[in-house]
Order: sequence, then C-alpha cells, then structure tokens
Amino acid sequence: AQSVTQLDSQVPVFEEAPVELRCNYSSSVSVYLFWYVQYPNQGLQLLLKYLSGSTLVKSINGFEAEFNKSQTSFHLRKPSVHISDTAEYFCAVRTAHIIQGAQKLVFGQGTRLTINP
Amino acid sequence: EAGVVQSPRYKIIEKKQPVAFWCNPISGHNTLYWYLQNLGQGPELLIRYENEEAVDDSQLPKDRFSAERLKGVDSTLKIQPAELGDSAVYLCASSSGGYNEQFFGPGTRLTVL
Repeated sequence: AQSVTQLDSQVPVFEEAPVELRCNYSSSVSVYLFWYVQYPNQGLQLLLKYLSGSTLVKSINGFEAEFNKSQTSFHLRKPSVHISDTAEYFCAVRTAHIIQGAQKLVFGQGTRLTINP
Repeated sequence: EAGVVQSPRYKIIEKKQPVAFWCNPISGHNTLYWYLQNLGQGPELLIRYENEEAVDDSQLPKDRFSAERLKGVDSTLKIQPAELGDSAVYLCASSSGGYNEQFFGPGTRLTVL
C-alpha cells in the first residue's frame, strides 16, 4: 500500500517570494507521482506529474517538482509566486504496476498556500 | 468540452435524512470515481466504476452508502440515513481509462445538522 505525507498544512508567503511545498511518500513498489491544485470552490486540477524519464517535471505556470527516489520525496517549488497561486495543493501517488487497484490515487492531506501582498 | 458536472453544489440536511448526489462525467469517459474529502484532508476513494460495473468499492460504507451508474454514464451516490460525521465534500472524477488522468468535478459540500 502507498501513503503520502505533506509536511506542512499551511504555508504563508509574500508575493514574488519563492516557495517549496513538501511531499514524502511511502511505497514498496515503483510509483507515479502527482501534484493537484484546488482553487477555492473548484475541483482538483492536475498541476504536474512524474511517470518516468527526467526526474524534474514542470507545469505551464512556473511550478516544478523533482522526484527523489532515495529520499522518497516529490517536493513542489516555484521561484516567484503570485496572488493567483493561492490555493490548496495535494500530492498524490499511484503504483506504476498494472495490477488490480493500480488505478487508485492516494492523496496527502493537502497544503494550503496563501500568498500575501 | 464540458468538465465533470456535479449537483447539487451544496446540501444541508438533518441527521437521519437521506441525501443523493449526482455526477455527469466527461463525455466518453468510461471510468468514474467518487471520493470523500473531509475538512483539512485529501480525497479518499469511495468507489470506482468501469462503465456500469463497480470494480472497487472496498472503501464504501455499505451499511448506509450506495451508488449506481446506470447505462455507464451518469452516477448517483446516496446516503441513507445521514450521520453528523458524513459532513464533507463529495467529489466525482472521471477518466478515459483507469490509468489515465482523472478530471475532477467541483464537488458537493454536505452539511449534516
């Protein structure tokens, strides 16, 4: 079974400052990793994902995450945040194996990112 | 293209009352998911459908929760009777296959008084 731990429930930062949202996972098998964003009163949207290949993955709005297998981490970073980045961010994991139940996404508890002017 | 549609967006009921949530997935998506999101927590899978078949309902509390997906398109999640602890957001998601990206609806926020 997989599990995900997001170490910070809330992260307040000032506009244009850098930010890192931490995510650690636990799994006995190879995994795929995801970051979802949930803006107020909206559903979850996929921000970026790691399936294979380069361990550094990027989104279209400036976020990036790096898969670190030895540290079982998939931290999300952005060098300069904007007010519009205020949202809840969820890290999720799924087994990479084609087996029964592999479609199941396991989510962390979320990190609320608040951008202050 | 329309996204996943859920209704109602908000529902307030008294405990012991029944309640139902409706989900219309993205057209052509054969896989449908219902998730429960408690306050301050990430979503947890309740049930997954492949077309009209429930292929993973191991996390669905079957004593009070039920779900159906007639004709493999729309789905309904029901709670009867509702308890105070059922207050949460119920999310529906769909995908074009069990291993493809899941698209989420806005959710139904249930408050049980």
